Amino acid sequence: KNQVEQSPQSLIILEGKNCTLQCNYTVSPFSNLRWYKQDTGRGPVSLTIMTFSENTKSNGRYTATLDADTKQSSLHITASQLSDSASYICVVSAHPGGFKTIFGAGTRLFVKA
Amino acid sequence: DAGVTQSPTHLIKTRGQQVTLRCSPKSGHDTVSWYQQALGQGPQFIFQYYEEEERQRGNFPDRFSGHQFPNYSSELNVNALLLGDSALYLCASSGNGQTDTDTQYFGPGTRLTVL
Repeated sequence: KNQVEQSPQSLIILEGKNCTLQCNYTVSPFSNLRWYKQDTGRGPVSLTIMTFSENTKSNGRYTATLDADTKQSSLHITASQLSDSASYICVVSAHPGGFKTIFGAGTRLFVKA
Repeated sequence: DAGVTQSPTHLIKTRGQQVTLRCSPKSGHDTVSWYQQALGQGPQFIFQYYEEEERQRGNFPDRFSGHQFPNYSSELNVNALLLGDSALYLCASSGNGQTDTDTQYFGPGTRLTVL
């Protein structure tokens, strides 16, 4: 069964600290893995996208890693800011676009001053 | 360059009614996907439209139907609304989805409440 599991479910950190979010998947065959940031009540915004051959991708203070062998990905946020408070969703596709695209439930990040 | 737009932003319906949600894709995109996101959950894929046809469908009943117009905009229709249909409905657009690095751009969503 194609699944995407994220951990932790929620996380509270102090402003300026780093954090790492995890994503494990069983989607097969693998096409790409994306991380999205979703503010409450808004649509998700793409942070990174990685294919099978890529094991790291950065977007400013966000760095995603991918281990296609163990089917694990992480999203590292450096020097967190209050505006980083949001849900971070891991999305794995067995085909580009909407085909067999499985969304994780997300990690809810709270950044406190 | 307009991004993905959706209308309306909020909607309240009663059980048994029908609803139509609308989406305009990002400029240059021809593929539209619809998702349902319940509170506290990740989005669930409903279906995808390309060249005015439903190309792929998730695990949703026939009460959920859609349409894509020649200008690539799309509608999502839900008949015989149930309380469980209350959710944020997201529209995402992309190219024709043939490249691994194709990124979907999401709209702001339509918040549907069924009473």
